[in-house]
Amino acid sequence: GENVEQHPSTLSVQEGDSAVIKCTYSDSASNYFPWYKQELGKRPQLIIDIRSNVGEKKDQRIAVTLNKTAKHFSLHITETQPEDSAVYFCAASTSGGGADGLTFGKGTHLIIQP
Amino acid sequence: SQTIHQWPATLVQPVGSPLSLECTVEGTSNPNLYWYRQAAGRGLQLLFYSVGIGQISSEVPQNLSASRPQDRQFILSSKKLLLSDSGFYLCAWGLGEKLFFGSGTQLSVL
Repeated sequence: GENVEQHPSTLSVQEGDSAVIKCTYSDSASNYFPWYKQELGKRPQLIIDIRSNVGEKKDQRIAVTLNKTAKHFSLHITETQPEDSAVYFCAASTSGGGADGLTFGKGTHLIIQP
Repeated sequence: SQTIHQWPATLVQPVGSPLSLECTVEGTSNPNLYWYRQAAGRGLQLLFYSVGIGQISSEVPQNLSASRPQDRQFILSSKKLLLSDSGFYLCAWGLGEKLFFGSGTQLSVL
């Protein structure tokens, strides 16, 4: 089955700097890669996703890049702010329909230092 | 708009006691429903999913079971809880591959 590795497990950056979280996946058939953000004590929420036919996607201060050849994808957050502090999960899916094919990484705890 | 309700928010249960966590969805028909467990440092683990009433798929063999008695109701159960069942349980509904999570239940088995 699919295996998703996520690094680092904890990332501390100064407010205003950029943060990058990286994930690798094992199944070359995976074609959908979402990122979820979970603030302390709250539910995970989808913040951005990318499909395998696209190399990069941006939404304001966040962006995701995908390298299908190397089987890795990354989340980039620019101009970090205190509200970016959270745990971020990447995932990869080989399913063509539902979310049951999603395999999640173990999460990255992003800490924004004032 | 769609909303998902999950309760209780926290639960402390003794080892060997039964468990029932309930999840309901509003604003959509025939949703795909999911139960996940989140353990510290271990990400999100899919436990069960359902594509319709009475249809349950289990991803991980364990001490838990799930049922879907109504279209928008999903229940996670156990007859006898183990210490290892402690964790944060999340219900979710799916729109294609996108998941929308409930607020979660923090279960402590003592």
